Amino acid sequence: EDQVTQSPEALRLQEGESSSLNCSYTVSGLRGLFWYRQDPGKGPEFLFTLYSAGEEKEKERLKATLTKKESFLHITAPKPEDSATYLCAVQAETGNQFYFGTGTSLTVIP
Amino acid sequence: EAQVTQNPRYLITVTGKKLTVTCSQNMNHEYMSWYRQDPGLGLRQIYYSMNVEVTDKGDVPEGYKVSRKEKRNFPLILESPSPNQTSLYFCASSPLLEYNSPLHFGNGTRLTVT
Repeated sequence: EDQVTQSPEALRLQEGESSSLNCSYTVSGLRGLFWYRQDPGKGPEFLFTLYSAGEEKEKERLKATLTKKESFLHITAPKPEDSATYLCAVQAETGNQFYFGTGTSLTVIP
Repeated sequence: EAQVTQNPRYLITVTGKKLTVTCSQNMNHEYMSWYRQDPGLGLRQIYYSMNVEVTDKGDVPEGYKVSRKEKRNFPLILESPSPNQTSLYFCASSPLLEYNSPLHFGNGTRLTVT
């Protein structure tokens, strides 16, 4: 069964304190892994797509990496405006569905 | 502006009273989908559509209906809502999936069924 697990559920960081969020997945052939940011009361906003093991993508203070079993979202020197819930999703080769994790709620304290 | 528009943003209704949540996208996307988001359960897919007149069940389709008569619109219909359908609903769209395209989400509809 296709499955996505994110950890930790919640993370509190001091401004400038770097850390990583984890997304582990089991899928019958990975077509793509997606990272989204979700602010309270809003829809998820697309951040990155990763296709193959070893791939990395960067955007400002965020960097996403992918292995055969998991993906990491590294946050370098975070700022309070990075506070949000970060969602991971996978798309299997066999189907037309996306499977989402339950997210990591990140709070960055000034 | 490219966007997915859902209406209404908030809806309070009573058990059994039929309702429709509308979704429209202006990006000419073939793929559209509905999700519900519940605490601790994440986003779960209700229905999706690969193109006009083509719809398929997702993981939690019971109690919901959809239709895709036009490319831009994908309404979600609850024929007889029940309290367990109280949730935050999102519509999403994407260009052809074989190009690994991400989903573009609307801003959500918070539904309360009493």
